[in-house]
Amino acid sequence: NAGVTQTPKFQVLKTGQSMTLQCAQDMNHEYMSWYRQDPGMGLRLIHYSVGAGITDQGEVPNGYNVSRSTTEDFPLRLLSAAPSQTSVYFCASGRGGGFDGYTFGSGTRLTVV
Amino acid sequence: GQQLNQSPQSMFIQEGEDVSMNCTSSSIFNTWLWYKQDPGEGPVLLIALYKAGELTSNGRLTAQFGITRKDSFLNISASIPSDVGIYFCAGQLGTGGSYIPTFGRGTSLIVHP
Repeated sequence: NAGVTQTPKFQVLKTGQSMTLQCAQDMNHEYMSWYRQDPGMGLRLIHYSVGAGITDQGEVPNGYNVSRSTTEDFPLRLLSAAPSQTSVYFCASGRGGGFDGYTFGSGTRLTVV
Repeated sequence: GQQLNQSPQSMFIQEGEDVSMNCTSSSIFNTWLWYKQDPGEGPVLLIALYKAGELTSNGRLTAQFGITRKDSFLNISASIPSDVGIYFCAGQLGTGGSYIPTFGRGTSLIVHP
């Protein structure tokens, strides 16, 4: 199994550009989440989904959109990139009830200039 | 939202030394999770704790779920250079469908040979 696959691994955007970070999992997990990691700030939750067709906001949702049309995919859209969105982005997935922790992707390093 | 205080923020130790780190919360959790993040990678689950007072080991790692359900501890014995990385604690309610973990800010561990 591939686990959680994130693409791209690296991306440079200009301020104002839009883009989509892709995330796919092949473990039939119900839960999927997006986190951003900044130095000294740990992992902050952007958006999450508890199943196909259901999404909700996390701690830092502004400037990001998500959708969950299938169990496998959970893309993160940056609507109009800003330098403050320079970060490392992680997608993670996990089972529902009896949850035993998330499986993380290897991350996307995004720089907005 | 819930806050997790993880300490220490960083540790610089000699190979062979034991390591202790902890995580405290202002509210209770029903599950505590400990992750390790290697440089350039996503976090990987080390240990999951499900019951207050539980003590669980994984090789040289030992973690405990605090009796009050508001804290957790991770110990690493006889550290080796490959223990280098960032260690994250995470708490999870697991009730009412709330399986989204809250993460601490991480403990950065550096091991000198």
